[in-house]
Amino acid sequence: DAGVTQSPTHLIKTRGQQVTLRCSPKSGHDTVSWYQQALGQGPQFIFQYYEEEERQRGNFPDRFSGHQFPNYSSELNVNALLLGDSALYLCASSYWTSGRDEQFFGPGTRLTVL
Amino acid sequence: AQTVTQSQPEMSVQEAETVTLSCTYDTSENNYYLFWYKQPPSRQMILVIRQEAYKQQNATENRFSVNFQKAAKSFSLKISDSQLGDTAMYFCAFLAYDKVIFGPGTSLSVIP
Repeated sequence: DAGVTQSPTHLIKTRGQQVTLRCSPKSGHDTVSWYQQALGQGPQFIFQYYEEEERQRGNFPDRFSGHQFPNYSSELNVNALLLGDSALYLCASSYWTSGRDEQFFGPGTRLTVL
Repeated sequence: AQTVTQSQPEMSVQEAETVTLSCTYDTSENNYYLFWYKQPPSRQMILVIRQEAYKQQNATENRFSVNFQKAAKSFSLKISDSQLGDTAMYFCAFLAYDKVIFGPGTSLSVIP
């Protein structure tokens, strides 16, 4: 049973560029949440997707957008990259109904903006 | 606003000893979940233990146990018989309405 997977593992971009990160949820999960973890800090909630719609959003600008596909996988897009966007981006999956109390995390994508 | 506070940025413990990590949180919700996550240098966030707020009994998972004080909004983690593999960042987290709020973390080092 595959857990949550994320790609790529590492990514280097320059300011102003755009980036897309990908996440495949744990088998059977239908909800995907994205978090940003700056170095030395706890993860910060970006947004959550269920049934291909954004259900909740944290305090992040519109440069951060996402998408969920019919197979429940998800993408996180960040436009007009800033140096401050450098972070570990974590994806977590869960059930929308039963089991919503626990989220399973992927290994993360390390984004470096130069 | 919902917040999670971990007042110990760094801690260390001798192998085989017991250590307690502190966590306090603030919320107006009555139904919620609390978690302790472990994040080793490999970056993978691993669930250590969870507690449902409506349950008075403290959760236990092998060497890990919590002291949940709902009125005080306190949720500490006790690690017994510490092992070298316990070295990691530990995050206290709060879940209500599908959004997980994390604390800033405590870096735990287990010393041989």
